[in-house]
Amino acid sequence: KNEVEQSPQNLTAQEGEFITINCSYSVGISALHWLQQHPGGGIVSLFMLSSGKKKHGRLIATINIQEKHSSLHITASHPRDSAVYICAVRGWVGGNQFYFGTGTSLTVIP
Amino acid sequence: EPEVTQTPSHQVTQMGQEVILRCVPISNHLYFYWYRQILGQKVEFLVSFYNNEISEKSEIFDDQFSVERPDGSNFTLKIRSTKLEDSAMYFCASSAARDSNYGYTFGSGTRLTVV
Repeated sequence: KNEVEQSPQNLTAQEGEFITINCSYSVGISALHWLQQHPGGGIVSLFMLSSGKKKHGRLIATINIQEKHSSLHITASHPRDSAVYICAVRGWVGGNQFYFGTGTSLTVIP
Repeated sequence: EPEVTQTPSHQVTQMGQEVILRCVPISNHLYFYWYRQILGQKVEFLVSFYNNEISEKSEIFDDQFSVERPDGSNFTLKIRSTKLEDSAMYFCASSAARDSNYGYTFGSGTRLTVV
C-alpha cells in the first residue's frame, strides 16, 4: 500500500497569487492523478501523469519520480479555484487501484 | 461535454437492506470504476471493471459488494446487506483508456445513508 502525503493541508491565498500544492508518496508508482473536489462534493480529474510535466490552462503538474514527489501549481489564482485538491497514486503498471491523499483545501480570497 | 450520470443523488436505506447504485458512463469509454468517500475522509478505490469483468478490487470490496454492466450502458454497484458503515458518497468514474492525459470522468456521486 502506498502512503500519500499532501502539503499543506489548508491554504489561503489572495486572488492572483501563484499557488503550489505538494504530494509525496512512499513507494514507486506507475501513475499519479491530480483531482479537484468542489465544495458540493463533485470530483473533477485534472491530470494523470507518470513523468515530466503537464499544463492545462492555468494549471501545471510536475512529477519527480526519483524523489517520489509531485507538485500542482496554479498561476493567477482566482476565487473559483477554491476547492480541495487531491493527489492519488497507482502502484504497479498493470493495476487500476489508486491510493488517495487527504487533500489540500484551497481558499482564494478576492 | 459528455457526462457520467449517477442515480439516485441521495438514497436512505435501512440497515440490512440491499441497495443498487446506478451509473451511466460515457458511451465510448471502456474502463469503469467505483469509489467511495466516507464523510470527512479520503476517497477510496472500490473496484475497476473492464471488458465485462472486474479487473481489480480493493480490500473494501468484499462479498457484500458486486458490480454489473447489465445492458451495455448502465454500470451498477450493489450492496447486498447494508451496514451503518456503508454510509458514504459513492462515485462512479469512466475513462477511454487506463492512462488518460486528463484522468477519468467522475459522476456527481450518490450519497448513501444507512439508518
